[in-house]
Amino acid sequence: DAEITQSPRHKITETGRQVTLACHQTWNHNNMFWYRQDLGHGLRLIHYSYGVQDTNKGEVSDGYSVSRSNTEDLPLTLESAASSQTSVYFCASSAGQASMSSRGGEAFFGQGTRLTVV
Amino acid sequence: QKEVEQDPGPLSVPEGAIVSLNCTYSNSAFQYFMWYRQYSRKGPELLMYTYSSGNKEDGRFTAQVDKSSKYISLFIRDSQPSDSATYLCAMSGGGTSYGKLTFGQGTILTVHP
Repeated sequence: DAEITQSPRHKITETGRQVTLACHQTWNHNNMFWYRQDLGHGLRLIHYSYGVQDTNKGEVSDGYSVSRSNTEDLPLTLESAASSQTSVYFCASSAGQASMSSRGGEAFFGQGTRLTVV
Repeated sequence: QKEVEQDPGPLSVPEGAIVSLNCTYSNSAFQYFMWYRQYSRKGPELLMYTYSSGNKEDGRFTAQVDKSSKYISLFIRDSQPSDSATYLCAMSGGGTSYGKLTFGQGTILTVHP
């Protein structure tokens, strides 16, 4: 079965360190997204990609970067971790609008990465 | 002001009750409207989606979209303890914004046996 996996599931890091969260999908989706989820804010978009070599900033992109070198992976890097980046991070993928199975841009989510910056 | 507003609750109801969840939005470019369900410590999963205005029914769940009022709703009939979860509304536009979802804050629902 196709799936989307995130690693690690939990991470504790120190302020100022660079951190990379991995996201791998086997849906063969063109679209991939990174969200963070915080109490009272729901899911907020960090970065997204509509295909290989394409990356775009979302609503809360400061301090984060992504790169898309293949269809399957969209790693999220925190350049210099800050306590304000303590959160649960979700990666998601979806088919493009031209896809018959798109269902309005249905996003398939990973299980999340719980990141604590101390 | 957030583009999508959702009452975070929490909402607590007895088993068998009818539940109404709502979101309002400000971006008239939104065309696709969805409800996701998220169980504790899991990723969200799509529950319902609707294109443009109208109603859609799937078992005990009904989604309504009123674009003229910029208001969407999810109704759950005969609620069950297994419906206890966080419900998130989400929306996106078409074209270059297709699939780029904007979420509400989520409503925490608890259904008591």
